Amino acid sequence: DTAVSQTPKYLVTQMGNDKSIKCEQNLGHDTMYWYKQDSKKFLKIMFSYNNKELIINETVPNRFSPKSPDKAHLNLHINSLELGDSAVYFCASSQDLGLAGEQYFGPGTRLTVT
Amino acid sequence: SQKIEQNSEALNIQEGKTATLTCNYTNYSPAYLQWYRQDPGRGPVFLLLIRENEKEKRKERLKVTFDTTLKQSLFHITASQPAVSATYLCALPDTGGFKTIFGAGTRLFVKA
Repeated sequence: DTAVSQTPKYLVTQMGNDKSIKCEQNLGHDTMYWYKQDSKKFLKIMFSYNNKELIINETVPNRFSPKSPDKAHLNLHINSLELGDSAVYFCASSQDLGLAGEQYFGPGTRLTVT
Repeated sequence: SQKIEQNSEALNIQEGKTATLTCNYTNYSPAYLQWYRQDPGRGPVFLLLIRENEKEKRKERLKVTFDTTLKQSLFHITASQPAVSATYLCALPDTGGFKTIFGAGTRLFVKA
């Protein structure tokens, strides 16, 4: 069984379009995250949700809107896509927020904006 | 905020040798530090966590040290095999402990 799954794996789209990435975890964790990994391989947190509540919202453009329908799902919707949005987006989950626990990452979604 | 420095240059070693990767941080000493492995096209995978009161931690052929005076963690892989070739990321909590900061990682190549 896949612990953290993301769809789609690859996403190629044109500037100005709106797209969504879905994430699901079957680990029973309370906390989920979205990370962005750019071409320089830096992994930066974008959002964190704990039990469906938004906890961390880094300096991310308003075009990015996360939604957590339940604590097993965290989706990311991106409006008006720009070239700079091209990156790999990772979803992750952990048992609790703020505790010294490992994070489980999904396989990533490679977004290419042309 | 906290900054992490990992050697951006790839580390090339011969099979059977010990690989040593370095993670330096710049500000306060965190309560714990984590190491992850990332293979191309995949998400990071958790390997080890070491707490500030632990000098050393081992798991199979992995050993991690944590020196809060030097603000440094060393990650050792003994008797390296080509299968451990990957990028290794250091991670630690930012102020408040709710956000994890990741280093850019060090790419390790083990030649047969």
